[in-house]
Amino acid sequence: EADIYQTPRYLVIGTGKKITLECSQTMGHDKMYWYQQDPGMELHLIHYSYGVNSTEKGDLSSESTVSRIRTEHFPLTLESARPSHTSQYLCASSLPGGSYEQYFGPGTRLTVT
Amino acid sequence: DQQVKQNSPSLSVQEGRISILNCDYTNSMFDYFLWYKKYPAEGPTFLISISSIKDKNEDGRFTVFLNKSAKHLSLHIVPSQPGDSAVYFCAVSGSARQLTFGSGTQLTVLP
Repeated sequence: EADIYQTPRYLVIGTGKKITLECSQTMGHDKMYWYQQDPGMELHLIHYSYGVNSTEKGDLSSESTVSRIRTEHFPLTLESARPSHTSQYLCASSLPGGSYEQYFGPGTRLTVT
Repeated sequence: DQQVKQNSPSLSVQEGRISILNCDYTNSMFDYFLWYKKYPAEGPTFLISISSIKDKNEDGRFTVFLNKSAKHLSLHIVPSQPGDSAVYFCAVSGSARQLTFGSGTQLTVLP
């Protein structure tokens, strides 16, 4: 059973505010991911990390940034939120080595007004 | 260009009957294929997967079929249950072990 947590679950915030979406996993997984998903659309990879101090941008360009200072923690930050950032943000992790399966958190539904 | 396509946004099936969800991909280099289920306000949950060296994988009521020549995979659910009502995403992966997702199919199982 995967244990991956995201907070907050829902966030409504005004334009220009700085926000941090939290993601933590207790499984010791090396690989962690952030996806963005709009209703009825595919999940798009925006950031990933293969370990501490390793972060890469994904296929979808994003104005967000990430950090990986501890194995279990992979926060995503938006310095200045805009209405175009309104979306669902999903965090995932996977086992080290050759594993394909990713385990997802419950997501954060972000609305920027 | 979408590398993974789920052409049916929605599917309704009667309880007890078979549900068949389809997925097409474009790149023959993909070598691992997965299905995820997603309920509203929750993250996707891994369901079943198949490697490119197989053409069928079964787990209880769920079976995934892979047709490499047609670049097509399908998920069969037999028998379908109301609790199966969810959005189903197919995902594909290559050597980088990253997942590329389809846009999902909303399955509704009618009691």
